[in-house]
Amino acid sequence: AQSVTQLDSQVPVFEEAPVELRCNYSSSVSVYLFWYVQYPNQGLQLLLKYLSGSTLVKGINGFEAEFNKSQTSFHLRKPSVHISDTAEYFCAVRTLEAAGNKLTFGGGTRVLVKP
Amino acid sequence: NAGVTQTPKFQVLKTGQSMTLQCAQDMNHNSMYWYRQDPGMGLRLIYYSASEGTTDKGEVPNGYNVSRLNKREFSLRLESAAPSQTSVYFCASSVGTSEQFFGPGTRLTVL
Repeated sequence: AQSVTQLDSQVPVFEEAPVELRCNYSSSVSVYLFWYVQYPNQGLQLLLKYLSGSTLVKGINGFEAEFNKSQTSFHLRKPSVHISDTAEYFCAVRTLEAAGNKLTFGGGTRVLVKP
Repeated sequence: NAGVTQTPKFQVLKTGQSMTLQCAQDMNHNSMYWYRQDPGMGLRLIYYSASEGTTDKGEVPNGYNVSRLNKREFSLRLESAAPSQTSVYFCASSVGTSEQFFGPGTRLTVL
């Protein structure tokens, strides 16, 4: 079974500074990868996804992520954060053979942007 | 389009009570899912339905049952609630290999 590890449970960062959220997964087969964001008291929204093709994926709100197959990682980055980026971020993985499009989620990383 | 809707938004139960969480989607998606979210554990899949008429267990199905009433609706039932089921519950839907779309969640407290 695959697993997803988000190495940082909390990341404090100052406004306009860069941020990187780390995600590693364990799977011996090909995967689809996703990053979701959850703002306080809301559901999850898709930030970006990797299905195939270019390993650098650009998403909404200036976020991007890079798929590294050899390191089984899918780290999320933003060069300059805003107060409104304060949220919890989840990395998720689906193996290509998984029935029913099932996702496995990491434990989440809380980002707190300070003025 | 409303997307994925869930009712109720909040619920408090006593141990042993039963309740049903409702979920509906208006995007004509084939697959629907129920997750629970607990601090530090991300989202864990309870049950899913790959298509109308089928349901399968996820990672944490014990204590829950589901019904895929039709293509739009997927309900989650707690027959005898326990404090360990205090959580935030999310419903989601998808089609093909696309991303999953999530509802706003139901915050459940079991006393």
